[in-house]
Amino acid sequence: KQEVTQIPAALSVPEGENLVLNCSFTDSAIYNLQWFRQDPGKGLTSLLLIQSSQREQTSGRLNASLDKSSGRSTLYIAASQPGDSATYLCAVRPSRNNNDMRFGAGTRLTVKP
Amino acid sequence: EAQVTQNPRYLITVTGKKLTVTCSQNMNHEYMSWYRQDPGLGLRQIYYSMNVEVTDKGDVPEGYKVSRKEKRNFPLILESPSPNQTSLYFCASSSNWSDEQYFGPGTRLTVT
Repeated sequence: KQEVTQIPAALSVPEGENLVLNCSFTDSAIYNLQWFRQDPGKGLTSLLLIQSSQREQTSGRLNASLDKSSGRSTLYIAASQPGDSATYLCAVRPSRNNNDMRFGAGTRLTVKP
Repeated sequence: EAQVTQNPRYLITVTGKKLTVTCSQNMNHEYMSWYRQDPGLGLRQIYYSMNVEVTDKGDVPEGYKVSRKEKRNFPLILESPSPNQTSLYFCASSSNWSDEQYFGPGTRLTVT
């Protein structure tokens, strides 16, 4: 059964710093991996989707990488801003079982002005 | 505006009183799913639907029912709610099972 882990559970950085959030998964047989942002009391907003054949995806100040063989993905946020404060979740879509998207517990990011 | 809507957003009910949480999407998506989010457990999939009249169990289906009579709607039914179903519920949709998922705003359910 696929397990998804995100470390650290919480992270606090000063504004302007570059940072990396980590996601690891136990089964490398994945179809894709998706990063989400969740603001308090709100739903999830999709940030980036990486297919299993891709190594990375970029959107603005965000860059997500995928190393399927080692079971890892990272989300790089450049020049962090207070508005980036949120919980970041990663989710994997297993290729062997196409119904069950597996989520990590998330990293709660605080960017201090 | 492309979106997934859920109603109600907040609901407090008592044990055993049947309830339905509605979910609707306006993007003509084939795939829809329901998740619950609990502290320390993250999001877990309850049910999903690959298309109209096609539904299947996710990771935690016990105590829930769903139906998919129309492409845009995917209601979640709790026939006899219990306190352990107190949670934050999310509906999501995507154009197909493997594509990017779009989430609704969530429904916070409390069962006393």
